[in-house]
Amino acid sequence: NAGVTQTPKFQVLKTGQSMTLQCAQDMNHEYMSWYRQDPGMGLRLIHYSVGAGITDQGEVPNGYNVSRSTTEDFPLRLLSAAPSQTSVYFCASSSLAALSYEQYFGPGTRLTVT
Amino acid sequence: AQSVSQHNHHVILSEAASLELGCNYSYGGTVNLFWYVQYPGQHLQLLLKYFSGDPLVKGIKGFEAEFIKSKFSFNLRKPSVQWSDTAEYFCAVNARRDDKIIFGKGTRLHILP
Repeated sequence: NAGVTQTPKFQVLKTGQSMTLQCAQDMNHEYMSWYRQDPGMGLRLIHYSVGAGITDQGEVPNGYNVSRSTTEDFPLRLLSAAPSQTSVYFCASSSLAALSYEQYFGPGTRLTVT
Repeated sequence: AQSVSQHNHHVILSEAASLELGCNYSYGGTVNLFWYVQYPGQHLQLLLKYFSGDPLVKGIKGFEAEFIKSKFSFNLRKPSVQWSDTAEYFCAVNARRDDKIIFGKGTRLHILP
């Protein structure tokens, strides 16, 4: 049971490039989410999903797209990277069965945009 | 929309001191409340949560938190901290009628040996 996995661990992009951050979980969790962590800003919710085919915006969705075609995977796409998107990105998942929203976090992806 | 405020951005304590980290949320309805911890170089893990029932919640590593509904607060406490408690601590809230889980800005705790 690997839990929540994220790839890559580190990434450097040039301004304007696109890329996809991968997130997968093997716990059959319905709920998945993406956060970015910046110094002094805590974790800010980018997008979340309550099941395959359902996504919604969080606090800071601009510049990011998501899709949820399977229960296991929840990729985050940066369409045209900007230096302001330099951050550490965390994916998390949660079971909705108990309605408690306790989240399990992945190890993070450190992204630098130059 | 719900929001979370953590009052202390950086706390420095000596070993064996008592700890209390403040967390207030803004939302008028029913909530789930969480404290997460991030040790240096590691990802976030759950310390404790409040879902319903007893407002005094006990978590891992001797931490506890008290939900005071009238004050919209969920403060984290530990009677005697250890050097290994050095970490960043995040309070989070989920409004039950919403699926969003919103985090505070975090409190960086540094324990002096």
